Amino acid sequence: NAGVTQTPKFQVLKTGQSMTLQCAQDMNHEYMSWYRQDPGMGLRLIHYSVGAGITDQGEVPNGYNVSRSTTEDFPLRLLSAAPSQTSVYFCASSYDRTSTDTQYFGPGTRLTVL
Amino acid sequence: DQQVKQNSPSLSVQEGRISILNCDYTNSMFDYFLWYKKYPAEGPTFLISISSIKDKNEDGRFTVFLNKSAKHLSLHIVPSQPGDSAVYFCAASFGNEKLTFGTGTRLTIIP
Repeated sequence: NAGVTQTPKFQVLKTGQSMTLQCAQDMNHEYMSWYRQDPGMGLRLIHYSVGAGITDQGEVPNGYNVSRSTTEDFPLRLLSAAPSQTSVYFCASSYDRTSTDTQYFGPGTRLTVL
Repeated sequence: DQQVKQNSPSLSVQEGRISILNCDYTNSMFDYFLWYKKYPAEGPTFLISISSIKDKNEDGRFTVFLNKSAKHLSLHIVPSQPGDSAVYFCAASFGNEKLTFGTGTRLTIIP
């Protein structure tokens, strides 16, 4: 049981490049979400999904796309990277949307945009 | 507009003593509050939570207190141990959904 896995651990991009941050969970959780953590800002919700085929925007969705074709995977796409997207990104999952107290986080992806 | 605030970015406590971490919130609609602990290069892990219908919740060495009139919650760790050194985030939600996180407090336990 691997829990929540994220790849890559580190990534450096140039402004304007695109990339996908991968997130997978093997706990059959319905709810998955993406956060970014910035110094002095805490964790902020980017996008979330309550089940396969269903996604919605969080607090800071601009510049990011998500899709949820399977229960297990919830990739986050940066369409045209900007320096303001330099951050640490965490994926999380829980049994359902009202189970945030049993939300499991992945180890994070540290992204730098030059 | 920071709805959940942790005004102390860092805190140092001697091993064996009590650690008290504080958190303030502004939105009176929040009805569920949580504390997460984060070690370097790891994701946050859930520590303890409290519903707005309670004013205290205990789990071993960890106790969370909620003062709704002051919109304030605190986490008490007694006794503090070296393994407690981490960043602690408080978070708030409506009905245990869509968490709003504070900025975090780095706790260092001094042996």
